[in-house]
Order: sequence, then structure tokens, then C-alpha cells
Amino acid sequence: QQQVKQSPQSLIVQKGGISIINCAYENTAFDYFPWYQQFPGKGPALLIAIRPDVSEKKEGRFTISFNKSAKQFSLHIMDSQPGDSATYFCAASMKSGYSTLTFGKGTMLLVSP
Amino acid sequence: DGGITQSPKYLFRKEGQNVTLSCEQNLNHDAMYWYRQDPGQGLRLIYYSQIVNDFQKGDIAEGYSVSREKKESFPLTVTSAQKNPTAFYLCASSRGTGRTEAFFGQGTRLTVV
Repeated sequence: QQQVKQSPQSLIVQKGGISIINCAYENTAFDYFPWYQQFPGKGPALLIAIRPDVSEKKEGRFTISFNKSAKQFSLHIMDSQPGDSATYFCAASMKSGYSTLTFGKGTMLLVSP
Repeated sequence: DGGITQSPKYLFRKEGQNVTLSCEQNLNHDAMYWYRQDPGQGLRLIYYSQIVNDFQKGDIAEGYSVSREKKESFPLTVTSAQKNPTAFYLCASSRGTGRTEAFFGQGTRLTVV
């Protein structure tokens, strides 16, 4: 049973455009929602994370929007650059002990020059 | 530099063989994890450990075994019972479970020949 659903599976955006990746979760006990970025042949790295007490978090060109009532959150990449081409994973976890990250299936982003 | 070291980067296994993937961290993290990554499947949790000499099964533990004899080390053995072991394996660590950032190694690509 997939607890975090991510879409789209792949995305092509022109340089300078906005990339939007969406995730939906089912478990209302989740209270930590990070996004990871992975380049080919490398391990994922934390990009940005949000907790449900805020509806939006921005770090440079990257913004997470969070909708608690809809159980959805999304990543927006403004002014997308070719260097942003990577696979992006959303994830969720709970505060309680023994909680681990549950990942979405990933979105492969290609930013064309 | 602090980080997570996985070795080897590439590993080839014959049918019926057990192989062990190494993971070492010098971040002084308590929790360590093993994930398997397949195309289009995201990251699936194999095993995790919150403390030395203790570990828990993840979502896809069958055919795998781990040990945690030292805080810094969390090796994964892929046994002959794992029916489809060809995949990209990622080790990660974090200060604790729940709402904490996971740091990933560079991965080991295992191929059955």
C-alpha cells in the first residue's frame, strides 16, 4: 500500500519556467514532509522540508506548499535551470519513535536549455 | 569530511551467492537505514537500526540480513533467498528517527550475472 503518491512521473520544463511536483498522503499522523533531490548515480540529498504548522516554506527558488485539509503538498521550482535536472522525491514521516521516511516514487525532471 | 561511505560502488553477484554491502558513517548518528531503489519504484526500506545491536525490518526485508555491532557500521547482506537482487542500494543515517534529516551514501549498484 503506497502511503505517499507522487505525480507526475516525469516532467519537462523549459529554462526559466516553473516546475511543479505534487504529492498526496493518506496517513494523518504524518507531520514532517521533506523533499529530496537525486542526481544520476548519486544518493538523494535533502532539498527542503516542511512541518504542517505552516502552509508554505521558501528557500531560494524552491517552495513547498502544504494543504493539510487536502493532505497534499507540492514542490515549486521557480526560474528552473538545466542544473535542476534530477529526480525529486517527496517523503513523509511521523514524530513518534521508530518512524521512518516513506517516499513517493519520484519525478524525473528535465529542464531544457 | 563527515559523511556516509558505501562500498563497493559496483558489485556483481552470481546466482546463489550471498554478498555483503558495506556502509560506514562518521556523523555520529544513532539511526541507520538501507533502501533499495528500482526504476519507477522510489526508495523502499529494507532494514533500519536506531541503536547498536538492534534493528527492525522495513517493507521489503525478505532475502536480506543486517547487523549493527558498531554505531558507525551497518552492513547489508543480500542472500541467495532474494529472488531479484539486481538494484541500486542506498544506505542512510540520521540523528534519530521521525522528523530528522536523512543523509545518504553514494549507493552500490548490485547486478546478478
